Parts: sequence; C-alpha cells; structure tokens
Amino acid sequence: KAGVTQTPRYLIKTRGQQVTLSCSPISGHRSVSWYQQTPGQGLQFLFEYFSETQRNKGNFPGRFSGRQFSNSRSEMNVSTLELGDSALYLCASSEGRDQPQHFGDGTRLSIL
Amino acid sequence: AQSVTQLDSQVPVFEEAPVELRCNYSSSVSVYLFWYVQYPNQGLQLLLKYLSGSTLVKGINGFEAEFNKSQTSFHLRKPSVHISDTAEYFCAVSGTGRRALTFGSGTRLQVQP
Repeated sequence: KAGVTQTPRYLIKTRGQQVTLSCSPISGHRSVSWYQQTPGQGLQFLFEYFSETQRNKGNFPGRFSGRQFSNSRSEMNVSTLELGDSALYLCASSEGRDQPQHFGDGTRLSIL
Repeated sequence: AQSVTQLDSQVPVFEEAPVELRCNYSSSVSVYLFWYVQYPNQGLQLLLKYLSGSTLVKGINGFEAEFNKSQTSFHLRKPSVHISDTAEYFCAVSGTGRRALTFGSGTRLQVQP
C-alpha cells in the first residue's frame, strides 16, 4: 500500500497570503489528522476529519481550516499568513478510532 | 487533557550500547501510548504502540517499551543501538477512543561510533 502522500513538499509564501496543503491518506483509511511542527512549540494537533466531518480541533486560530472529501483526501488552508506560521505541517491517517496514525513526510511552509 | 514529558532532550550513546529513552505522561482518562521516530526531512514513523494487554510492547527495529500505569511511564529501550538509530524520538498519548495525539518535546538520540 502507498503511504500518506502530502503535496507540495515545500512552499514559500509571504505574509498576508493564503495557502492550501493537500493530503492523500492510505487507501482505506477514513480518518485524517493534521499537525504543526515547529522548533519552539513542537508537535501540535490542528484538527481531525472523519467521513468528511471535523471531529476534533486543536487550539489554533480560525485562520487555520480544513476539509475532507468523499474519497477521504483532505486539505488544510491557512489564510492571512504570519511569520509564525512557518512550520512543517504533517498529515496522518488511520483506519479507525483505536488504530495508530500513520504520517506523511509533511509540507514545509516558509513565510517570508 | 493529557500531557507528555520526555525527560531527556538529547541522549548520546556509543554504538552497540543499550539505551533507554524516558517518557512520562499525565492523563485523567485511560490512554493509548505510542513512540514515533523522525529522521531528518521526513515525517514520523510508528515504532510501537500500547493499546491494551501486555505491558511490554515490542516494536520495529529491535525497540521495546514497557507501560507502567502506577508510574505513568512508557520508557523506550533498545539493547544494542546502531548508527542508523540516530534520529529524534517522540512519545505520544491519546485518550482511548480519540485520535488526537499529544506529543512530548522529543529526544534526540545520537549514536557515536
């Protein structure tokens, strides 16, 4: 099986712009979660989608949003980018509630 | 809510020596526990998981961990490390029935020849 695929791998944006990141889960996985990784804050949970519905949300401002499509692929969007949004954004998928999450290689977002 | 503490930010060790990476957690509910490894410029790879059952969990690449409920710990061990084990290791916890993971701050394992 192919693993979790995230595109693009690298992105450079400027302050005030918006960005959309994409995640294709492992085939058959219906849950997709997003995490932000920074040197200062570490790994932090953003949100989780299951069957196209957001099931859980972390402590991030409303500029961070996401969605999930009927084929379980997910996108996350960040609007009005700030310098502090520079991070590695990781997507993870799992088969079910009591199954571990499997991560993609991430999208590295740099804000200039 | 849960929290995870990884007591060591860096652990230097010589090749073929044993290693233990420490992890303590705090939670008001029952938990699942995980260890992930991250190599440079990559995502997280699952090493092992504790969901229920035996408290000694074996994972990939010769790693194992023991769940100690009374001490709220989930330490990772390997009897003999290799240069290729050099990476960052993350302990994570989730409430049972929930998928959101809470991660520790990570431990950088540096294996020296």
